[in-house]
Amino acid sequence: AQKITQTQPGMFVQEKEAVTLDCTYDTSDQSYGLFWYKQPSSGEMIFLIYQGSYDEQNATEGRYSLNFQKARKSANLVISASQLGDSAMYFCAMRGSEGGYQKVTFGTGTKLQVIP
Amino acid sequence: KAGVTQTPRYLIKTRGQQVTLSCSPISGHRSVSWYQQTPGQGLQFLFEYFSETQRNKGNFPGRFSGRQFSNSRSEMNVSTLELGDSALYLCASSWGARTGGYTFGSGTRLTVV
Repeated sequence: AQKITQTQPGMFVQEKEAVTLDCTYDTSDQSYGLFWYKQPSSGEMIFLIYQGSYDEQNATEGRYSLNFQKARKSANLVISASQLGDSAMYFCAMRGSEGGYQKVTFGTGTKLQVIP
Repeated sequence: KAGVTQTPRYLIKTRGQQVTLSCSPISGHRSVSWYQQTPGQGLQFLFEYFSETQRNKGNFPGRFSGRQFSNSRSEMNVSTLELGDSALYLCASSWGARTGGYTFGSGTRLTVV
């Protein structure tokens, strides 16, 4: 079965510092995609970054980068130069095949608070 | 470019009633997925529609149903509402390929009393 694990329920980071949010996954699928989303208190889910299982290079989008270690089944999100507006819930998610169907599974999320 | 639009934003219903939520995807997106988010269960996948066909379904009872129209707009229906159905319901759209991200709407917050 497909599973996403985020072991950090909450984290604090100083403004302008970098922070790493952990995500490990489990799947028997060979072809899958990994995503990170940000959810501010308003509730909307904001897509941040995507990594395909066959992508050899780590994905980057501005201040966001995904540290993809396939052998360890980890897909950690790195936010550089944290800003106050980065305070939010962050969800790791995976899309893969299960039982012949495409399925998306989300982790439980990490609440990030940026301290001025 | 308009984002994913969900209506209504807030809804209060009584136990036993039924409710219909609407989702208009980004223009050109053919896939629409629905999720339920609660503090206790987190984000759970309900179902996904692609070109008017249900392509995926999560582990929810038959009271939860959906459909997609030819213009890719989707509706989700919950019949015989229970208190435990109170949640934020999120809709996401995408091109439908296995790769790439989903764009979420702002959600509909349903409260069942």
